[in-house]
Amino acid sequence: AQTVTQSQPEMSVQEAETVTLSCTYDTSESNYYLFWYKQPPSRQMILVIRQEAYKQQNATENRFSVNFQKAAKSFSLKISDSQLGDTAMYFCAFRPRFGNEKLTFGTGTRLTIIP
Amino acid sequence: DVKVTQSSRYLVKRTGEKVFLECVQDMDHENMFWYRQDPGLGLRLIYFSYDVKMKEKGDIPEGYSVSREKKERFSLILESASTNQTSMYLCASSSGSGGKETQYFGPGTRLLVL
Repeated sequence: AQTVTQSQPEMSVQEAETVTLSCTYDTSESNYYLFWYKQPPSRQMILVIRQEAYKQQNATENRFSVNFQKAAKSFSLKISDSQLGDTAMYFCAFRPRFGNEKLTFGTGTRLTIIP
Repeated sequence: DVKVTQSSRYLVKRTGEKVFLECVQDMDHENMFWYRQDPGLGLRLIYFSYDVKMKEKGDIPEGYSVSREKKERFSLILESASTNQTSMYLCASSSGSGGKETQYFGPGTRLLVL
């Protein structure tokens, strides 16, 4: 069984600053996917970024990037030039590459961007 | 864009009532999922379905059942609601094609059981 740990229940940062959300996971799988999801207040959960474990290059999506350390089983999310719209719950999630498409989620980090 | 809709945003029920939560997706996805979301616990999988009439238990199936009679619709049933089932319920779907395909979520139903 896999576990996903997010050790920061809450974080806050000033607008325009950079913030990093941490995520660690435990698995015996060698091929898998990792995801960061964003859940804005009272709005739908959406995918922010995903990483394929067999790719060494860290994924980036505009202001969002990840630091994927496979040996350390670490998958942090960096948000650059943070904006008020980045205020949300952020969930890290894991899925094995093969098999069904079930996700294992962490407990989430509530991020607040301060004007 | 994938659209996943849930029948209610907010629901208030009494202890012992039978509760139906409905989820519909419009992208012909094979897989559908029901989660509950609680503060400090993240999302926990209740049930999922990988085909019509097929279902598998997730991590916390006790007190719940599901139904999938049509591909686009996945229902979560609380046979006899209890106060500890007060929670946010999220439905999701995914294509079933594997690979790096992700799940798409509905807006959630916030259920209060009195």
